Amino acid sequence: EVQLVESGGGLVQPGGSLRLSCAVSGFTFINSEMNWVRQAPGKGLEWVSYISTSGSTIHYADSVKGRFTISRDNAKNSLYLQMNSLRAEDTAVYYCARELNYYTLDVWGKGTTVTVSS
Amino acid sequence: QSALTQPASVSGSPGQSITISCTGTSSDVGGYNHVSWYQQHPGKAPQLMIYAVSNRPSGVSNRYSGTKFGNTASLTISGLQAEDEADYYCSSYASSNTPVFGGGTKLTVL
Repeated sequence: EVQLVESGGGLVQPGGSLRLSCAVSGFTFINSEMNWVRQAPGKGLEWVSYISTSGSTIHYADSVKGRFTISRDNAKNSLYLQMNSLRAEDTAVYYCARELNYYTLDVWGKGTTVTVSS
Repeated sequence: QSALTQPASVSGSPGQSITISCTGTSSDVGGYNHVSWYQQHPGKAPQLMIYAVSNRPSGVSNRYSGTKFGNTASLTISGLQAEDEADYYCSSYASSNTPVFGGGTKLTVL
């Protein structure tokens, strides 16, 4: 069964850091481009970041550039999102998603919740 | 990159057809045939329903169809069923080599 399981969310103070993980199973992770997408409470979907199969190509949304870092460990079938200098507006459910092509996201995890608040 | 424009809400009765529009620019929707549509039920993860404008992933009902004309893409759901009630989001590849999402449309089945 194809599965993406996010973890690492929680409550963090403004300015703090958090590292999200996404464990992958049921498909060949090393051949899959991956993305992070977030959804603030009651709001729509917002793309966050992309990483290529080898990790050599990375893209970020302007809203997180310079603060978030996407990475992957193909040996561990895992995707990561290091989030630094967190702000209240980063509060959201964070989803990892497999990319089919051109940012078509065909498999999604259930999400992990990040709350930035003092 | 500005978000794609979707109606905030649409509604229809069981058995009817509805269409949700998604308007962008020549730098996204109009410039590429990489428009996707996602369904999201409350508290659940999004699910891909349409990709590359009009293609359905395996397992998605043929009641769902997609089209594009100029800078506007559309999702049509025919033979509305109660289970179709959900939020729907469009997304497009953009010239910035990043994706852009629509603001979402809440579908109510009356």
